[in-house]
Amino acid sequence: GENVEQHPSTLSVQEGDSAVIKCTYSDSASNYFPWYKQELGKRPQLIIDIRSNVGEKKDQRIAVTLNKTAKHFSLHITETQPEDSAVYFCAATTMEYGNKLVFGAGTILRVKS
Amino acid sequence: DVKVTQSSRYLVKRTGEKVFLECVQDMDHENMFWYRQDPGLGLRLIYFSYDVKMKEKGDIPEGYSVSREKKERFSLILESASTNQTSMYLCASSHRQGPYSQPQHFGDGTRLSIL
Repeated sequence: GENVEQHPSTLSVQEGDSAVIKCTYSDSASNYFPWYKQELGKRPQLIIDIRSNVGEKKDQRIAVTLNKTAKHFSLHITETQPEDSAVYFCAATTMEYGNKLVFGAGTILRVKS
Repeated sequence: DVKVTQSSRYLVKRTGEKVFLECVQDMDHENMFWYRQDPGLGLRLIYFSYDVKMKEKGDIPEGYSVSREKKERFSLILESASTNQTSMYLCASSHRQGPYSQPQHFGDGTRLSIL
């Protein structure tokens, strides 16, 4: 089955700097890769996702890149702000799994002002 | 806007009790999921359902069962609660359409403590 590894487990950046979180997956059939942000005490919220037919997707200050050959995908946050502080989860899935998502362990991002 | 509602935010139960966690979604989603979230382990899938009365085991189904009698409602049952089931439980739902998976939408979670 699918296995997703996420690095780093914690990340501290200065406000205004960029943050990058990386995930690798094991199943080459995976075709959907969402990223979730979870603020303290709140539900995970989808912030961006990418499908296997594209290599990059951007939404304002966040972007995701996908390298299918290497089986890894990354979240990029530019011009970080204190409100970006949260736990970020990556995930991967295929339709074979009936829309099951396999999640990474999460990255705690702290943006210092 | 998608609404996934979990019946309780906090719940305290005793060892050996039968515990029911309820989840309701209002977007006519076919798929529904139950996860537990523990520090350092991310979200782990307990059970999921892709249709009424259908259920599939996830990665950690032991000690749990589920029920889906109506499309909008998915219940998680702890048959005989144990202390190692103390955790945050998250429900999610998604559409099933097209060749790609669709985004999952989460509820606020139920923090369950088993004493």
